[in-house]
Amino acid sequence: DAKTTQPPSMDCAEGRAANLPCNHSTISGNEYVYWYRQIHSQGPQYIIHGLKNNETNEMASLIITEDRKSSTLILPHATLRDTAVYYCIVSLSGTYKYIFGTGTRLKVLA
Amino acid sequence: GAVVSQHPSRVICKSGTSVKIECRSLDFQATTMFWYRQFPKKSLMLMATSNEGSKATYEQGVEKDKFLINHASLTLSTLTVTSAHPEDSSFYICSAGQGDTEAFFGQGTRLTVV
Repeated sequence: DAKTTQPPSMDCAEGRAANLPCNHSTISGNEYVYWYRQIHSQGPQYIIHGLKNNETNEMASLIITEDRKSSTLILPHATLRDTAVYYCIVSLSGTYKYIFGTGTRLKVLA
Repeated sequence: GAVVSQHPSRVICKSGTSVKIECRSLDFQATTMFWYRQFPKKSLMLMATSNEGSKATYEQGVEKDKFLINHASLTLSTLTVTSAHPEDSSFYICSAGQGDTEAFFGQGTRLTVV
């Protein structure tokens, strides 16, 4: 079973920040949090990952709570092309074996 | 970043025939690759771990005789759906990784059995 839970769907206005939450209360100390997204009929695309510190790259920011039981993916200025299903996954670094939860279907509205 | 490529991207086959899907790591070597299947509007379900030079490890409930996996080289894993039936129609996706990086996914193969 997946170790993450996410809201099934969210809407966000174009140009606004999209904040996608993820609960992973049973995460172990050496497991990372990975975020991917999947646009219809394509393979998942990597977005960002982190262990305990907040992370930022050109696509998004990842905020991990101090107890590591939850995290938030932030898309700072959502565009229509960000409409996708977003998956939060916890896994050991370098194992690549991912158990996907149900994900959050994000719809960016014009 | 690393690239994982699948072929074909779409395939239609007749009921009772077998179909092979290839997954290649284009710029790195992968001792393990992973196969997933995905039904419409559902999440990815891990089917099996493909191990280079040894037998694949299947997840509970996945028929190993139906879904044959071969990982004969460090850059190629194949999934063969044997004696395909309409219920095997699905989106099949592979992944692989290198070092301590994240996993990279192929673009997926849509199988339709008619």
